[in-house]
Amino acid sequence: DSGVTQTPKHLITATGQRVTLRCSPRSGDLSVYWYQQSLDQGLQFLIHYYNGEERAKGNILERFSAQQFPDLHSELNLSSLELGDSALYFCASSVEGIGPGSDTQYFGPGTRLTVL
Amino acid sequence: DAKTTQPTSMDCAEGRAANLPCNHSTISGNEYVYWYRQIHSQGPQYIIHGLKNNETNEMASLIITEDRKSSTLILPHATLRDTAVYYCIVRVADSNYQLIWGAGTKLIIKP
Repeated sequence: DSGVTQTPKHLITATGQRVTLRCSPRSGDLSVYWYQQSLDQGLQFLIHYYNGEERAKGNILERFSAQQFPDLHSELNLSSLELGDSALYFCASSVEGIGPGSDTQYFGPGTRLTVL
Repeated sequence: DAKTTQPTSMDCAEGRAANLPCNHSTISGNEYVYWYRQIHSQGPQYIIHGLKNNETNEMASLIITEDRKSSTLILPHATLRDTAVYYCIVRVADSNYQLIWGAGTKLIIKP
């Protein structure tokens, strides 16, 4: 158990809908990261938040947005869903995550999103 | 693009040491090498990381060459539960220190 929690575990929805995925980081971690993993693909970095502020963006679509709240949990919002958005979505957290040095990311169990 | 190259797949007999190689020839002096693994569709699991020196923990050992252009992850006594995709990642400055994931090595432990 990494200490990172994600809800829900599974989500089935229809095209055009909007969903929210939730992530609670490990106690004491200030950084939260979101990744997408499509079937048999590697992990694609989406976005990184540090202490409530956006730090870096990866290959995140404009239909997707995220935020990190004062209690440090994070939510990933996916809207106007398309079939191709079906994937595993992972959240990770780390103590800091900014600048050089050693900073290990710990991953949650993921949310499996199926868009029908 | 990922800054590392790994073999696509490897086999190892149960009980033997599994040695997984990784090339990172363009690594910079302050960039760390991380290893993770992903069992089926579970969340990636952190294994070990290092900068210059060899490292060992309860899961594995990491051997980094003196020129830092390559490394080897060693699972000393592989079990069937070690079957997974193993990712070697360099945490690079020019990606704002994000982890850029490659395709990894599919390690299959055979009885």
